[in-house]
Amino acid sequence: EAQVTQNPRYLITVTGKKLTVTCSQNMNHEYMSWYRQDPGLGLRQIYYSMNVEVTDKGDVPEGYKVSRKEKRNFPLILESPSPNQTSLYFCASGRIAYEQYFGPGTRLTVT
Amino acid sequence: TQLLEQSPQFLSIQEGENLTVYCNSSSVFSSLQWYRQEPGEGPVLLVTVVTGGEVKKLKRLTFQFGDARKDSSLHITAAQPGDTGLYLCAGEDSGGGADGLTFGKGTHLIIQP
Repeated sequence: EAQVTQNPRYLITVTGKKLTVTCSQNMNHEYMSWYRQDPGLGLRQIYYSMNVEVTDKGDVPEGYKVSRKEKRNFPLILESPSPNQTSLYFCASGRIAYEQYFGPGTRLTVT
Repeated sequence: TQLLEQSPQFLSIQEGENLTVYCNSSSVFSSLQWYRQEPGEGPVLLVTVVTGGEVKKLKRLTFQFGDARKDSSLHITAAQPGDTGLYLCAGEDSGGGADGLTFGKGTHLIIQP
């Protein structure tokens, strides 16, 4: 089954404790992206990647890191999480940038 | 960053009624997508429109891209409770950039039985 998977689906952590949210796709897509979704603000792009070893900042990259060492994986790293990073996070992939398939989401709470 | 305004923000109607939701911008987009998101899930792509004036139909859903490629509408005929969800429009930058999509904040649609 073609899909984008994210892990974990739910995470509660404390301020400053480094965490990684994994994202994997099995559709051989070149384009991958991370978004956060907040009430009243909608979906905002954090980082995107056009291909392996190629990443670039989206609209809200501060406090986040990504890497793209393999085509199928695009992990999101929070080196020192803060409460304002509490949000619902989505990973997406696509053959092209403008037709994206989204993962199920990761709900992150930072206390 | 280009902005997409969606209206209305919230819409609650009875089953069987027709409705239209809108997605507007002052910017030109190369293409525009509509997604539907259900609670606890990621957005699901419904359609992509590319050509100004283009109309696409998906069962009871009709999508139109404005002639100037700055706006789009989604019309649902005889709405069903299964149409309930958050409808998001997203636009691809016409500048040829590779930075993906700009999303509107969405229309929350509730279809009451």
